[in-house]
Amino acid sequence: EIVLTQSPGTLSLSPGERATLSCRASQSLSSSDLAWYQQKPGQAPRLVIYGASSRATGIPDRFSGSGSGTDFTLTISRLEPEDSAVYYCQQYGSSLPTFGGGTKAEIK
Amino acid sequence: QVQLQESGPGLVKPSQTLSLTCTVSGGSISSGGYYWSWIRQHPGKGLEWIGYIYYSGSSYYNPSLRSRLTISVDTSKNQFSLKLSSVTAADTAVYYCARDPLGAGYFDYWGQGTLVTVSS
Repeated sequence: EIVLTQSPGTLSLSPGERATLSCRASQSLSSSDLAWYQQKPGQAPRLVIYGASSRATGIPDRFSGSGSGTDFTLTISRLEPEDSAVYYCQQYGSSLPTFGGGTKAEIK
Repeated sequence: QVQLQESGPGLVKPSQTLSLTCTVSGGSISSGGYYWSWIRQHPGKGLEWIGYIYYSGSSYYNPSLRSRLTISVDTSKNQFSLKLSSVTAADTAVYYCARDPLGAGYFDYWGQGTLVTVSS
């Protein structure tokens, strides 16, 4: 099983600031098979990024993904109040998809 | 616009079988090209993939749940279902159904989720 470790656990930033969320895999993902999801309280997760860097339909361009191998990053270039959520990474490079523990993004 | 909706009992007794159904609208399961998954989230915790099924009936399960799990599909009703037997309190979670495009492995559409509590 590939374990995903996300950091930081919580980040607290002001609107307009840049957020950098990290996801580290216990094994290399050979095809950048990594996705990011946004989950707000009481809601289902929403796909933000797939293929490590491709934005999902309807996702603003302030969201970007990067990385390969074992280290991946979700960047929110200019935080807006509606970006307050928990963000999860998920790998699908193995036959057992797994999720990271999440990073909570708080907007001051 | 594809929509998924989970349905089923919100309370299940220990040792019994948890049964949920996901109804898909806005698209046909039998058109192919998508894998249909179940994912759960324990209260206040992260996400766990349970398993998927294809419209043909082929399926793959999380090894940690395989011995208790059955996922089936009913293309005539545009539904797929989950049965998890011998449940314990550890199976208390919000259960989501989700669509995986082309078997890629990520999930582009999700149901709203349904909380299932295992308690006597």
